[in-house]
Amino acid sequence: SQKIEQNSEALNIQEGKTATLTCNYTNYSPAYLQWYRQDPGRGPVFLLLIRENEKEKRKERLKVTFDTTLKQSLFHITASQPADSATYLCALEGRSNFNKFYFGSGTKLNVKP
Amino acid sequence: GAVVSQHPSRVICKSGTSVKIECRSLDFQATTMFWYRQFPKQSLMLMATSNEGSKATYEQGVEKDKFLINHASLTLSTLTVTSAHPEDSSFYICSARDGQVPYEQYFGPGTRLTVT
Repeated sequence: SQKIEQNSEALNIQEGKTATLTCNYTNYSPAYLQWYRQDPGRGPVFLLLIRENEKEKRKERLKVTFDTTLKQSLFHITASQPADSATYLCALEGRSNFNKFYFGSGTKLNVKP
Repeated sequence: GAVVSQHPSRVICKSGTSVKIECRSLDFQATTMFWYRQFPKQSLMLMATSNEGSKATYEQGVEKDKFLINHASLTLSTLTVTSAHPEDSSFYICSARDGQVPYEQYFGPGTRLTVT
């Protein structure tokens, strides 16, 4: 069965630095990969979507890369701020089973002032 | 942006009773709605997918007689936890998508269910 791995250890970085989070997957070929932000006790908020035929996507301070050969996506936040502190989830959706999402368990990011 | 609401945000109920959670898309028509369950520090687990006017599709291992889902309209879906037990205590989150590219899901704020 499919497996999605995100670093379970929290990522602690200094304000102003670039945060890089990793999402690795196995036994799956997603058509779309999405990144979400989740704050404690709240539902996830959509950040970025990248398609299987795209290598990179940017939105303001966010950048996502997608390597279907390595089966990996990297999520970057540049010029990080304490307000970026949250848990970040990756989610995969297949082409053949649209509407079926598989989420990683998320990585907690702590940005220290 | 698209907004999804959930009600209630928190609910405590006694074992054996039933609890209904509502999920509404406030400013768009949701062609598909999803119900997830999340345990502390764990991933979101998809419970079921529903389309307006049709029966929900449940994921393997989810009891459809226990978790009743009704997608009554393009803006409302409900999840009823029947005969709740303490092991049903969890964070329940709904999401919706409007069928428009680029296909992101809009999540509700979640409902914390505690069964005593």
